Amino acid sequence: KAGVTQTPRYLIKTRGQQVTLSCSPISGHRSVSWYQQTPGQGLQFLFEYFSETQRNKGNFPGRFSGRQFSNSRSEMNVSTLELGDSALYLCASSLEPGDSNQPQHFGDGTRLSIL
Amino acid sequence: AQSVTQLDSQVPVFEEAPVELRCNYSSSVSVYLFWYVQYPNQGLQLLLKYLSGSTLVKSINGFEAEFNKSQTSFHLRKPSVHISDTAEYFCAVSEPGGYQKVTFGTGTKLQVIP
Repeated sequence: KAGVTQTPRYLIKTRGQQVTLSCSPISGHRSVSWYQQTPGQGLQFLFEYFSETQRNKGNFPGRFSGRQFSNSRSEMNVSTLELGDSALYLCASSLEPGDSNQPQHFGDGTRLSIL
Repeated sequence: AQSVTQLDSQVPVFEEAPVELRCNYSSSVSVYLFWYVQYPNQGLQLLLKYLSGSTLVKSINGFEAEFNKSQTSFHLRKPSVHISDTAEYFCAVSEPGGYQKVTFGTGTKLQVIP
């Protein structure tokens, strides 16, 4: 059974550009969450999607957005990139949304570097 | 609001020696506690979790953690480490609810020295 797949693995952009990251969850998993990981802030929750609807959102500006497709694949978009957006972006999937005690399976992440 | 503190950013230890990675949390309600491991260039993997019941939880690869409510701690231990345990370990705490309620610590890098 394939794990969570994130593409691309590495990305280099310049300030002001926009970027789209992709996440394919484990087959059968319908909930997808996104996290930002940086050395200074650690791991921070961005948002969670289920049934093509954003279910929960973290404390990030509106430049960060996402969506989920009918096959549960999800994309995350960041517009007007800033240097501080350089980070490892992790996607995690779970069977169903629900309590935070439900196990999440993480992808290997997309490392975004802003020049 | 809840918070989690990992007191050590790096822990070097010789192979086959015991190790303890410390984690303290604060919350005004009952919480779930987790330890995740992250190997270089990979995502997080759940190592073990405490939800309720027995305060001592164990992973399949020899790690264990004990929930101590009075000391608000959830330290991770292993009696004998291997080179393959070299990784970054994250403690996380969550109030019941969605994943937006999970707070991660800043991580402890475990370096096993041959």
